[in-house]
Parts: sequence; C-alpha cells; structure tokens
Amino acid sequence: NAGVTQTPKFRILKIGQSMTLQCTQDMNHNYMYWYRQDPGMGLKLIYYSVGAGITDKGEVPNGYNVSRSTTEDFPLRLELAAPSQTSVYFCASSSHGDIQYFGAGTRLSVL
Amino acid sequence: EDQVTQSPEALRLQEGESSSLNCSYTVSGLRGLFWYRQDPGKGPEFLFTLYSAGEEKEKERLKATLTKKESFLHITAPKPEDSATYLCAVQDSDRGSTLGRLYFGRGTQLTVWP
Repeated sequence: NAGVTQTPKFRILKIGQSMTLQCTQDMNHNYMYWYRQDPGMGLKLIYYSVGAGITDKGEVPNGYNVSRSTTEDFPLRLELAAPSQTSVYFCASSSHGDIQYFGAGTRLSVL
Repeated sequence: EDQVTQSPEALRLQEGESSSLNCSYTVSGLRGLFWYRQDPGKGPEFLFTLYSAGEEKEKERLKATLTKKESFLHITAPKPEDSATYLCAVQDSDRGSTLGRLYFGRGTQLTVWP
C-alpha cells in the first residue's frame, strides 16, 4: 500500500520558472491538503480539497494554484517561482477530515 | 486566531530518562488534538488523536494526555530510536471543522543519547 506519493523529491528552480508538484494517494480519501514547512516553523496550509472538483485556499495560498480533477491526484502549481517559496512541501490526505496521512515531501529551492 | 504552542523547542534525554513534552492551545472549540512524529527528511507520521479532556492514549513508550488547555506527550524510559521531532496539531470545531483543517505547532525536537 503506497499511501501518499509525492514527486519529485528534490527540485531546484530559477527565479521566475514554473513547476508542478505532484501528489497522488491510493486510499480513496476525499480530503487532500498541501502544506509548506519552513525551518523552525509549523506546517502552514496552502490549499485543500474536500473532493474532486472542489478546492479552497488555506493560510498561505499566494503564488500557488491547485486543481482536483480526480480523487487520487492533487497537484500544486507554482507560477513565477520566488526565493520565498524555498521550502519543504507536504501533501496529505484524510478519509473523514480527521487523521491526515502525509507523503514524504518535496524539497524545493528557488535560486 | 488559533494558536498552538509547543515546549520545549528542543529536549535532550539520556536513554531511560523519562520526560514530558507540552502542547498548549487556544481554540474556540476543540474538535480534536493530534500528535505526529517526524523523522529528518520524512513526512509527519500519525501517533495519537485525543478528543476530550481527561482522555489518554498509549503506544509503546509514549502516552498522550489532554486537558482543556493543553496536552502532554509523556515518554517513559526513552530509547535512541525515539529521537525525532514531535508535532502537535489541533482542529477547531468552530471554524470549518468539516474541512479537516489542522493548525500545527512548531514541534519539539527530541534527542535521546545512549
């Protein structure tokens, strides 16, 4: 059972470039989330989704976009990357909106 | 605004030396409090959920307790493999609780040396 899978594991971007962080889950969970984790800080919610076709902003959505066309996939899009987006990004999923299960993360550097 | 404060930020214990980590929270209404373990370079791993004051959960050397304002994660006779960052998170019942949003603390970095 793979759980929550994130790709890529590492990425270096130049300022102004764009990229998509992939997240897929095989647990048939309706709820999915994107967080970022900066050193010494708690996880901050970027976007979340309660089902296919439904997404909403979290605490820190600026500079990001998401889509949810299937139950399994919840990609996070970075447009015009900035150094402030250097972080570790985690995707999570939940069946009933309580316990969240996390992927291994994507470590992103914007230089 | 919801606030979750964890203390201490870092804790070093000798193997076998029991201690406790603290998580204090301020929410309009607590729907649930969650403890996670995070190893370096990995995603958070779920440990416990507590829903009401007085509730306790145990798993091996770990025991989580909950009061109306805080939660404790007690570590009994820790081993080096218990070294990790422990994260606390809360769900607020009065703000979009059905959406499953969690508010995380900054974590306590635990190091257990032999």
